[in-house]
Amino acid sequence: NAGVTQTPKFQVLKTGQSMTLQCAQDMNHEYMSWYRQDPGMGLRLIHYSVGAGITDQGEVPNGYNVSRSTTEDFPLRLLSAAPSQTSVYFCATKKREVGTDTQYFGPGTRLTVL
Amino acid sequence: RKEVEQDPGPFNVPEGATVAFNCTYSNSASQSFFWYRQDCRKEPKLLMSVYSSGNEDGRFTAQLNRASQYISLLIRDSKLSDSATYLCVVILAGGSQGNLIFGKGTKLSVKP
Repeated sequence: NAGVTQTPKFQVLKTGQSMTLQCAQDMNHEYMSWYRQDPGMGLRLIHYSVGAGITDQGEVPNGYNVSRSTTEDFPLRLLSAAPSQTSVYFCATKKREVGTDTQYFGPGTRLTVL
Repeated sequence: RKEVEQDPGPFNVPEGATVAFNCTYSNSASQSFFWYRQDCRKEPKLLMSVYSSGNEDGRFTAQLNRASQYISLLIRDSKLSDSATYLCVVILAGGSQGNLIFGKGTKLSVKP
């Protein structure tokens, strides 16, 4: 049982490049989310999904796309990377049932955009 | 803006000390409260939930004051391994993922 996995762990991009951050979970959790964490800013929600085929925007969605074709996977796409997207990205999952509020985070992807 | 405020610290304490963190929230519709722990360059992990009656887990005690809209975390007999950043998390009514609000964290450093 791997929990929540993220790849890659580290990535350096040049401005304008595109890439996809991968997130996978084997806990059959309905909810999946992407956060970014910047110094002094805390965790900010980018996009989230409450189930396969359903996604919604969070607090800071601009510059990012997501899709949820399966329960297990929730990739985050940067279409044209900008230096402002330099950050640590965390994927998180949660069960849908009321009263199960624990978020399980992946180990994170450290992204630098030059 | 839905706000969760924490003292960023750092709190520098000797081993064995008792240390307390507070977190205030602005939205009275908040319904669930948690403390997460985040080690340096690692992901956040749930430390404990916070209940209205208060709850204790070993050396850790969490309290909720709904009237004053604040949550506290007390750590007794601090260990070197307690050094981390502690995140206050509030969930607003409705349960939507978008209603989960993280504080910016309080950094704790326990020294020998």
